[in-house]
Formats: sequence, C-alpha cells, structure tokens
Amino acid sequence: AQSVTQPDIHITVSEGASLELRCNYSYGATPYLFWYVQSPGQGLQLLLKYFSGDTLVQGIKGFEAEFKRSQSSFNLRKPSVHWSDAAEYFCAVGARDSGYSTLTFGKGTMLLVSP
Amino acid sequence: DAGVTQSPTHLIKTRGQQVTLRCSPKSGHDTVSWYQQALGQGPQFIFQYYEEEERQRGNFPDRFSGHQFPNYSSELNVNALLLGDSALYLCASSPGTGSGLWYGYTFGSGTRLTVV
Repeated sequence: AQSVTQPDIHITVSEGASLELRCNYSYGATPYLFWYVQSPGQGLQLLLKYFSGDTLVQGIKGFEAEFKRSQSSFNLRKPSVHWSDAAEYFCAVGARDSGYSTLTFGKGTMLLVSP
Repeated sequence: DAGVTQSPTHLIKTRGQQVTLRCSPKSGHDTVSWYQQALGQGPQFIFQYYEEEERQRGNFPDRFSGHQFPNYSSELNVNALLLGDSALYLCASSPGTGSGLWYGYTFGSGTRLTVV
C-alpha cells in the first residue's frame, strides 16, 4: 500500500525567504504525486502534479517541486515566500487499482510566515 | 464555472444520530470521491462513486455509506454517529475514475461535522 510522510509538522519562514517542504512517499510503481494547499476553513487547492517526464515541475503561485526517484522524495519549493502563502500543505500520492484511482495524503505541514 | 459544491458547510449532531452530507461535482466531472479530514490530519479516503456505484472503498466501517445520482451529485451518509466522526468531510470530483490522477482532483470546501 502507498504512503506519504511529511516530516515537518510546522515550518516558520520569514517573508521573502526561500521555502522547501519535504515529502517522502512509498509506492511500488511509478507514482503520481501531488501537492495541495489548504487555507484555514477551506478545501484543498491543487498546486502541482507529477507523473512522468521532467522531474522538475512548475505549479501555480510560483511553486515548484522536484521528483527524486532515488530518494523517494517530492519536495516543494518556492524562492520567495509571501505572507499569503501561510497555510497547510499536503503531499499526496495517487494510485490506480483496477482502473480506479485514489489519493493517499500525508499529515500535512503547516507553514507560518513571519514578517 | 462552479467548482465542487458541498452542503451544509457546518453541522452539529448528537452521538447516535444519522447525518447526510451532499456534494455537487464540478461541471463535466462524473466521478465523486469522499475524504475525511480529522483535526491535524491529512484527508483519508472513504469511497469513490462512478456511474452510481461505489467503485473503491477505504478503511471505513459500514456506518459510512453513499449514493450517486444520475446528475453525478453524491451523498455521504453516516449512521450511529460517534464522537470520533467529528471531522471535515471533503468531496472531490474528477472527469472519469482513472482520470483524476491526470487532471488532479477538484476539492470542495468541505462540511465541518461536529458530534457532541
């Protein structure tokens, strides 16, 4: 069965500083990987996704993520954080079984942005 | 274009009661999945509906059941509510059961269920 680990529960970054959120996954086949963001009281918004090709993927709001198969990682990065980026970030791995697909999420990383 | 719509936004129920949550998928989407997000946790997959049938189910008891209507909207029913059922319930839609991984699921804002 697939699983996702997000080692950092909370991260605090100064506004304007760079950001990296870690994600490690476990999945037997080529993974479908996603990053979602959740603002307080809101649903999940898709930031970016990867399933093949270039290992560096660009997403919305200036985010990017790099897939490293050897490390089973899919870390999320942003060169300069804005106060509006404060939210909870979830990494997820997608699996297909008999033609049906589901997502398995990590427990999330809460990003706090300090002035 | 409306995204995924869920109702109600908040709900308070008493232990032992039954609850029904509703979801309208994004236009053009025919597959609906339900997720439970407990406080401080990531969403957990409950089940997925396609062509009015449950196609996949996560590790949830039979107290959790669902339905999909011909217009692709869906309901999540929970019987005999427990305090531990308190959570944010998220609905996600996609165009086709396997296509969700290609297009990325679209999530609603959720229903916050509190069981007292």
